[in-house]
Amino acid sequence: DTAVSQTPKYLVTQMGNDKSIKCEQNLGHDTMYWYKQDSKKFLKIMFSYNNKELIINETVPNRFSPKSPDKAHLNLHINSLELGDSAVYFCASSFTRKNALYEQYFGPGTRLTVT
Amino acid sequence: DQQVKQNSPSLSVQEGRISILNCDYTNSMFDYFLWYKKYPAEGPTFLISISSIKDKNEDGRFTVFLNKSAKHLSLHIVPSQPGDSAVYFCAATWGSARQLTFGSGTQLTVLP
Repeated sequence: DTAVSQTPKYLVTQMGNDKSIKCEQNLGHDTMYWYKQDSKKFLKIMFSYNNKELIINETVPNRFSPKSPDKAHLNLHINSLELGDSAVYFCASSFTRKNALYEQYFGPGTRLTVT
Repeated sequence: DQQVKQNSPSLSVQEGRISILNCDYTNSMFDYFLWYKKYPAEGPTFLISISSIKDKNEDGRFTVFLNKSAKHLSLHIVPSQPGDSAVYFCAATWGSARQLTFGSGTQLTVLP
């Protein structure tokens, strides 16, 4: 009964490759997010997405793109992987409708290592 | 430019005593604040939150205090238990997208 799940948990790949990380939530939330935790342990927002709006953090390279086949899924595609993309990537979801509680629920993370 | 700051990277407390974790913010637009707990190799877990219209919220052993004039919030854990040992992140949000801005985290160690 995992609320927010991510696959794979670990991903090791070479520079220049294209990879995807999948995320699914079964909480009925209307918004999903991707966060990156870098080597200094900072958690930074990359994207937020619902069926109306995609908001991209301006510091995210355009090699990163979110794809949402439906409200319960938000996948992260990364093209031309670079060494600096190595990090732990967390998916999250929440409600964002007015007067809702704003707690976000996180997946277990995907540790990406680019060699 | 860090809009949410946790200036103490670590804190050690004896079991049964109070743990106080602090957080400062700079963005006056933030209207909702949250604390998350994170164990190694797991995602952050929501702990407690507070709206900017309140100055205190309590849930069991956990209490969050908000001082808007000082742009400061704190998390009190009483009594502290060894299972509370984790990294605690302060986060803040505003606007329709509700993206979270996180602090850098504080590693809490509760000593038995």
